[in-house]
Amino acid sequence: SAVISQKPSRDICQRGTSLTIQCQVDSQVTMMFWYRQQPGQSLTLIATANQGSEATYESGFVIDKFPISRPNLTFSTLTVSNMSPEDSSIYLCSASHMALEGTEAFFGQGTRLTVV
Amino acid sequence: GENVEQHPSTLSVQEGDSAVIKCTYSDSASNYFPWYKQELGKRPQLIIDIRSNVGEKKDQRIAVTLNKTAKHFSLHITETQPEDSAVYFCAAHSGNTGKLIFGQGTTLQVKP
Repeated sequence: SAVISQKPSRDICQRGTSLTIQCQVDSQVTMMFWYRQQPGQSLTLIATANQGSEATYESGFVIDKFPISRPNLTFSTLTVSNMSPEDSSIYLCSASHMALEGTEAFFGQGTRLTVV
Repeated sequence: GENVEQHPSTLSVQEGDSAVIKCTYSDSASNYFPWYKQELGKRPQLIIDIRSNVGEKKDQRIAVTLNKTAKHFSLHITETQPEDSAVYFCAAHSGNTGKLIFGQGTTLQVKP
C-alpha cells in the first residue's frame, strides 16, 4: 500500500495568481498522476508525472498552465498557473507501484481550489 | 484515445436489493479494471479490482465480471445497505501507457 499526503487541502486564490500543490508518498512508487475533479463529476487525468523528465499531458492540458515536477520517486508538485474561476476544482494526486501491469492506485486527500 | 463509459449515472435501490453498474472501455491494451467508491468529500477508495485474465471476482457482497471480447465489465452489489450509498467509479488501466482512465461515475442511493 501507499499513504499519500497532499497539501494544501484547500485554498482560495485570486485570479491571475498561481498555486502549487504538493504530493508526498510514503514509499517509492513507479507511477504518479494528477487528476482534476469538478464538483459532482468524474476524475479527469491531467498528466502523468515522470521522474526526472517532463510530464506527459493529456489532451486539453498544457505545461504552461499546469507545470508538474517530480524530482524523485516519492514527491511531485502540480502548479495551477494564471488562475481563473474556471480552474476552481478539486485536484487529486495519485500513485501506484506498477506501471504496465496495473495495480491499485492510491489517492491523496485532494486540494479544493476556489478562484475568486 | 482511451475512453470509459459508465451507466447508469444514478441508481436508487431499496435496502436489501441488488445494484448493478456497467462500464465499457475502448483501449484494447487495458489489462486491469478497478472499482472505486467515493464518499462525499473523501478520496476515492478501491473496493474491488479484476485483471484481464480473469472473468469474475467476488468479495463478500461485491462482485465484478469482465468480458474482454465485448470490452465490458460490471460491478454487482448484493444485499445493499444504506452505507453503500456513495459515488462509484469504474476505471481501466492501459498496459501500454500505465494510465488509469475513469468512467463518469454512478451515484448509488440505498433507501432504508
